[in-house]
Amino acid sequence: AQKITQTQPGMFVQEKEAVTLDCTYDTSDPSYGLFWYKQPSSGEMIFLIYQGSYDQQNATEGRYSLNFQKARKSANLVISASQLGDSAMYFCAMILRNTGNQFYFGTGTSLTVIP
Amino acid sequence: DAGITQSPRHKVTETGTPVTLRCHQTENHRYMYWYRQDPGHGLRLIHYSYGVKDTDKGEVSDGYSVSRSKTEDFLLTLESATSSQTSVYFCAISRRTGSYEQYFGPGTRLTVT
Repeated sequence: AQKITQTQPGMFVQEKEAVTLDCTYDTSDPSYGLFWYKQPSSGEMIFLIYQGSYDQQNATEGRYSLNFQKARKSANLVISASQLGDSAMYFCAMILRNTGNQFYFGTGTSLTVIP
Repeated sequence: DAGITQSPRHKVTETGTPVTLRCHQTENHRYMYWYRQDPGHGLRLIHYSYGVKDTDKGEVSDGYSVSRSKTEDFLLTLESATSSQTSVYFCAISRRTGSYEQYFGPGTRLTVT
């Protein structure tokens, strides 16, 4: 069963605009963590941001923020003031704390920033 | 920089041959992981290790085995490579503090002909 769902295979955004990348998850484990990773065309995986299931506030890291809606089981990534260097694949991931700390990744969203 | 290297970075091999990929870390982390990345599938966990000689299967472990005889090295072996194992393989470590986020190696592109 798919635990992480990213429904947007490709997204376009104008430079300097904000963009939201969608992620929904499925788990009955009350203790989990949600992550976003960036994969540029060079191939490396870059950790961006983390949200814990018990965190009361949405996580922010610079231009990245995670819109965590626990009841809806969504963890959308918001990138503000998009830059050309933001063009990349973005993956949502989840760790389940009570089932061996395994990680599950979504299929990714390709973001293209248009000048 | 999480100090993770993978070798080889690229490999072409023939169907039926054994292949071993190596992941090396310099930071003494307990948890290490092997993933494969294929178009349309994202990253899928093959095997992971939670200590020396302690390993467990992920969601796509068939056809793969692993070994960890030292903290710093985690080996992935394809006993008899098949074309379906053509993929990009990533090793990762998990820092078991705070969020436990994973940090990835540069990847190995494996082609099985």
